[in-house]
Amino acid sequence: QSVLTQPPSVSGAPGQRVTISCTGSSSNIGTGYDVHWYQQLPRTAPKLLIYGNNNRPSGVPDRFSGSKSGTSASLAITGLQAEDEADYYCQSYDSSLSGSWVFGGGTKLTVL
Amino acid sequence: QVQLQESGPGLVKPSETLSLTCTVSGGYISDHYWSWIRQPAGKGPEWIGRMYSSGSTNYNPSLKSRVTMSVDTSKNQFSLKLTSVTAADTAVYYCARGAAGAHHSFDYWGQGTLVTVSS
Repeated sequence: QSVLTQPPSVSGAPGQRVTISCTGSSSNIGTGYDVHWYQQLPRTAPKLLIYGNNNRPSGVPDRFSGSKSGTSASLAITGLQAEDEADYYCQSYDSSLSGSWVFGGGTKLTVL
Repeated sequence: QVQLQESGPGLVKPSETLSLTCTVSGGYISDHYWSWIRQPAGKGPEWIGRMYSSGSTNYNPSLKSRVTMSVDTSKNQFSLKLTSVTAADTAVYYCARGAAGAHHSFDYWGQGTLVTVSS
């Protein structure tokens, strides 16, 4: 059971827009801690996709965007491409107990 | 370009100690936090702990009693020890760099190394 909750799967046709949600609680996203997103292609390490809720590292296309509100965050992908098919994870900080960096359980994006 | 590379045994017996080392190249180990993160097959990543070049550490409360991290700045390496392992500790283990900020993202990752706990 992950601290951050994501839908197990989403899908969309090429060119479409999809969103992936990440739901937390008052001890993590709801406190105001930043949300970060990662893309993981098969058999590779996660790659930082969005940091600080809505910032893209150099080289990440502007088709990827992030947002945060209350205890939730979302990743949006526009102009869906076949190469976007991957697992996506959200990550934040949780202040319960002694504090910990926490991840979502992941969402598998299928490009139809 | 910063690169990280994990190394260590791929098979560990139950009740024994898992030991991994991460070698950092293309940058200095100073001035950043460095973490270990693991990912069981088919599941999301789990943060294990982080350390600074000074030696200060923070550990995941759920693993704290079994985890020790250390750093060797002369070799640009940091290490993980996880004691009393069970099959539940089988996972791909990654080392990663903490980006700037108090509650940071992880901007550089190693390729990962699979550690299987089995007799």
